[in-house]
Amino acid sequence: QVQLQESGPGLVKPSQTLSLTCTVSGGSISSRSHYWSWIRQPAGKGLEWIGRIYTSESTYYNPSLKSRVSISVDTSKNQFSLKLTSVTAADTATYYCAREDYGGDNWFDPWGQGILVTVSS
Amino acid sequence: DIQMTQSPSSLSASIGDRVTITCRASQSISKYLKWYQQRPGKAPKLLIYGASTLQSGAPSRFSGSGSGTDFTLTISSLQPEDFATYYCQQSYTNPRTFGQGTKVEIK
Repeated sequence: QVQLQESGPGLVKPSQTLSLTCTVSGGSISSRSHYWSWIRQPAGKGLEWIGRIYTSESTYYNPSLKSRVSISVDTSKNQFSLKLTSVTAADTATYYCAREDYGGDNWFDPWGQGILVTVSS
Repeated sequence: DIQMTQSPSSLSASIGDRVTITCRASQSISKYLKWYQQRPGKAPKLLIYGASTLQSGAPSRFSGSGSGTDFTLTISSLQPEDFATYYCQQSYTNPRTFGQGTKVEIK
C-alpha cells in the first residue's frame, strides 16, 4: 500500500524559499501510471492545487503560482520536492503531497498527512 | 480555470438524517468529479470518483450523482464519524480545482 510523507521546515521567513519533500513508500515514483502532486490548505480554508510532476520530466503548475513554483523528482530516494520562492504570509498553509492517477479518472489518493508551514519573521 | 461551487457552505444535521450536498461546475466537466471527506486535523480522503463510483472501503451510505455541471453527494443515514468537511474536485482540465467545502456539523 502506497504511503506518502511530507517533510521540511515548519517556519520560513518572508521573501525566502519554501522547500518541502514528499517521500513515497510502497510504490515507485517512476511509475508511468501516476502523477505526483502538491496541494495546500490555509487554516480554516479550502484546498488549492499547486502542481504536479510526471516521470521526472513533465510538470504542470497552477498558473496562480507558476512564476514561483518548481517541482522535481529524486528517483534514487523515491521522493519528489516542492520549491516555492519569495514567500509571504499568504503562503502560510498546510501542504499536502498526493498521488494522482494518470490517464484515468485522475483522483488524488493517497495523500500525505500534511505539514504546516508558517511564513513569519 | 473551472470554478467549483458547493452548497450549502455548512449544515447542521442529526444522526440518522439524510444529507445532500451540491456541487456546481462553471462549465461542463462530464463525469470528472470527485468527492473527498476531511476530518479535523486530517488529510482529505477520497470518497467518490467518476461522479458516482464509491471508492473501495468507503461506506455504502455515501452516494454520488450528476454529470455535466451539476453534482450531488448524498449521505443516506448520517453517522457520528461523518461529521466532517466535504470537498468536490474536478479533473476535467488543468488546473485541478476544488469546491470551497461543506462542513457537516452536529445539530
